[in-house]
Amino acid sequence: EVQLQESGPGLVKPSQSLSLTCSVTGYSITSNYWGWIRKFPGNKMEWMGYISYSGSTSYNPSLKSRISITRDTSKNQFFLQLNSVTTEDTATYYCARRNWVRYYFDYWGQGVMVTVSS
Amino acid sequence: DIQMTQSPASLSASLGETVSIECLASEGISNDLAWYQQKSGKSPQLLIYAASRLQDGVPSRFSGSGSGTRYSLKISGMQPEDEADYFCQQSYKYPLTFGSGTKLEIK
Repeated sequence: EVQLQESGPGLVKPSQSLSLTCSVTGYSITSNYWGWIRKFPGNKMEWMGYISYSGSTSYNPSLKSRISITRDTSKNQFFLQLNSVTTEDTATYYCARRNWVRYYFDYWGQGVMVTVSS
Repeated sequence: DIQMTQSPASLSASLGETVSIECLASEGISNDLAWYQQKSGKSPQLLIYAASRLQDGVPSRFSGSGSGTRYSLKISGMQPEDEADYFCQQSYKYPLTFGSGTKLEIK
């Protein structure tokens, strides 16, 4: 069974970088597409970006200058880095697997709450 | 970006009642729409993709329909375990965008 698990600090200071790890079991990240999505307080959801089976990336233009998604295929993990965070980046962050053909997400992690505060 | 307008924001239903949730896209999305269920403290679960295709393992009381810019999720016979948040997502083009969610409670 495909399982994803996010990990990382729950508290980040403003202007610093947010770094999260998504550990995948039951499926290789060298197949499919792997994304990050966040849910803000108030329930708005935002697709942040993905890394593909080949290592190529695509980002939401709203974040393009601040975001980086990378991977370690030997550990079957992929990573999110979001730079220069503000309080508006406070959200629950999810990693998810995108369907191979269509742009929806068929497996999600449990999510990790990240608060940006001094 | 494609804007997804979801309604209602909240809904109460009695057990056995049929409920509907709608999503309106700001432009045509060619049936590229997914619906998710999220129970409190849990990760989102895919219910419907391609507007009307039921994900494996999802009960048949869930159904999706629509075309063009207007789509709906129907639950035929509310069950206790259906109390959750529901949201839509357009899977037509990037950046992928989501509806604002519907909180479904038991009356």
